[in-house]
Amino acid sequence: DAGVTQSPTHLIKTRGQQVTLRCSPKSGHDTVSWYQQALGQGPQFIFQYYEEEERQRGNFPDRFSGHQFPNYSSELNVNALLLGDSALYLCASSFRLAVNTGELFFGEGSRLTVL
Amino acid sequence: EDQVTQSPEALRLQEGESSSLNCSYTVSGLRGLFWYRQDPGKGPEFLFTLYSAGEEKEKERLKATLTKKESFLHITAPKPEDSATYLCAVRGGSARQLTFGSGTQLTVLP
Repeated sequence: DAGVTQSPTHLIKTRGQQVTLRCSPKSGHDTVSWYQQALGQGPQFIFQYYEEEERQRGNFPDRFSGHQFPNYSSELNVNALLLGDSALYLCASSFRLAVNTGELFFGEGSRLTVL
Repeated sequence: EDQVTQSPEALRLQEGESSSLNCSYTVSGLRGLFWYRQDPGKGPEFLFTLYSAGEEKEKERLKATLTKKESFLHITAPKPEDSATYLCAVRGGSARQLTFGSGTQLTVLP
């Protein structure tokens, strides 16, 4: 049973560039959430998608946007990168029907470094 | 606003030396308290979900308990492979997301 898969695992960008991160949810899951984890901190919620729509959003600027595809996979886009965007970006999947109670399953993350 | 505070920030134990990690939380209408383990450079790995005060869950050397204000992760006779950062998170009210604490970095020395 494939777990949550993310790509790329590592990437380096310069300030002002744009980045796209990808995520495939765990088999059978239809809901994808994205989190940002700075070094030494806990993950912070960016947004959640199901049925191809953004359902809830955390305290992140509009530079952060996303998309969910019909096969439930998802992308996270960040425009006009800042040094402070350097972090581990985590994708988590779950069942929509358990979205208020069930646990999240996380991928290994994409490590973004902005120079 | 949901809040989670974990203590201590770091803990060093000798192999076999039992201890507990603390997670204090403030949430409006708890809909779940979650414990995760995270190894360096990896994503969090799910351990337990607790839903109501008095509930307990166990897995190997780990036992999680829950009160109305805090949760404890008890580690009995830890081994070096238990070394990791342990994260606590809550989901409250109508929120779909989890709110995480900053974690406790556990090191178990052989």
